[in-house]
Amino acid sequence: GQQLNQSPQSMFIQEGEDVSMNCTSSSIFNTWLWYKQDPGEGPVLLIALYKAGELTSNGRLTAQFGITRKDSFLNISASIPSDVGIYFCAGQKSPGGGADGLTFGKGTHLIIQP
Amino acid sequence: DVKVTQSSRYLVKRTGEKVFLECVQDMDHENMFWYRQDPGLGLRLIYFSYDVKMKEKGDIPEGYSVSREKKERFSLILESASTNQTSMYLCASSSSGRAGNEQFFGPGTRLTVL
Repeated sequence: GQQLNQSPQSMFIQEGEDVSMNCTSSSIFNTWLWYKQDPGEGPVLLIALYKAGELTSNGRLTAQFGITRKDSFLNISASIPSDVGIYFCAGQKSPGGGADGLTFGKGTHLIIQP
Repeated sequence: DVKVTQSSRYLVKRTGEKVFLECVQDMDHENMFWYRQDPGLGLRLIYFSYDVKMKEKGDIPEGYSVSREKKERFSLILESASTNQTSMYLCASSSSGRAGNEQFFGPGTRLTVL
């Protein structure tokens, strides 16, 4: 199956810095999702995007659904230590309610240096 | 809150054993999914189910089977475990409504096959 191209693979940042990561695909997706995974745990849904151009925030997190429907980005403002983890983008081609699996990026490993 | 639980967090089995991984969700979701997660490969879909007794192959179904006898429960079966099935297994569920593309994950089962 296809995978999404997620970058960067890892980020080493200072506490308080802003973070930006993105995901691209050669195919169109109808939904973009962003998840965070802590070590030894399952991914937790952060933001879901359903419309091209949509910009959605969840606290310090902001994500956008690209106009072409082939990309999405996630920004984290003023990073804090608990933001450490692996962030995954995921896309789904079927419209809402479809029982299709998600296509995942390989993740961005966020490391915050004190 | 959606809750997806998996029967074991850690499991060690021997080559050739039959292995059952159980997943239960408490949100009356129609759709359930099994993924495996491996370093450098990300999350890959094994099987999914959109209704009781219904199942669909994902991207990597070889060596696995599934069972969905009740709406809330989705089992992954390794008929004869092999060392290349050592992995983190993640179960997820979603509704069939508009937000059906939002999949909620369990904590994962880390399976080691010796």
